[in-house]
Amino acid sequence: AQSVTQLGSHVSVSEGALVLLRCNYSSSVPPYLFWYVQYPNQGLQLLLKYTSAATLVKGINGFEAEFKKSETSFHLTKPSAHMSDAAEYFCAVSDHQGGKLIFGQGTELSVKP
Amino acid sequence: ETGVTQSPTHLIKTRGQQVTLRCSSQSGHNTVSWYQQALGQGPQFIFQYYREEENGRGNFPPRFSGLQFPNYSSELNVNALELDDSALYLCASSLGLAGAFQKETQYFGPGTRLLVL
Repeated sequence: AQSVTQLGSHVSVSEGALVLLRCNYSSSVPPYLFWYVQYPNQGLQLLLKYTSAATLVKGINGFEAEFKKSETSFHLTKPSAHMSDAAEYFCAVSDHQGGKLIFGQGTELSVKP
Repeated sequence: ETGVTQSPTHLIKTRGQQVTLRCSSQSGHNTVSWYQQALGQGPQFIFQYYREEENGRGNFPPRFSGLQFPNYSSELNVNALELDDSALYLCASSLGLAGAFQKETQYFGPGTRLLVL
């Protein structure tokens, strides 16, 4: 069965610092991976997705993620955090049979001034 | 291009009642997926509809049921509400292609927050 593990339920960084949110996946087939962001009291917004093209994926708002098969990881990074990045971030893998998304538990990102 | 919309935004019900949540998919999308997000958790897949047929179901009891209409909008019905059904219910639409559902991006609506007392 496919699964996703997000390491760290809370991450706090200073404004301007590097953001690193960790995601590891388990999949017996080549995975399709997604990062979504959720602002308070809102739905999920797609940041980026990996669908077996380039291993370094660039997304919106300056975020990017690198697919590393050897480490079964798909960590999300942003070089310089902004106050507006404070939100909940979810990593997800798409089920290879039907396309349902299997989400991690989420990581809450706080940005300190 | 209109995004995914859901109604109502908030709902309060009592245990044992029934509820219907609605979702309008993004223009051009033929697939709708429903997720339940409990407080502090990641979304959990309930079921997916593709061209008016159920196309996969998660680990939810039969009192969770759904429909997709010819215009690809969708309903989620929950009977005999329980306290644990309190959650944010998210609808997501996508352009489903048979055999390639897993590649497609799912676009989420703002959700319906259900509180069961």
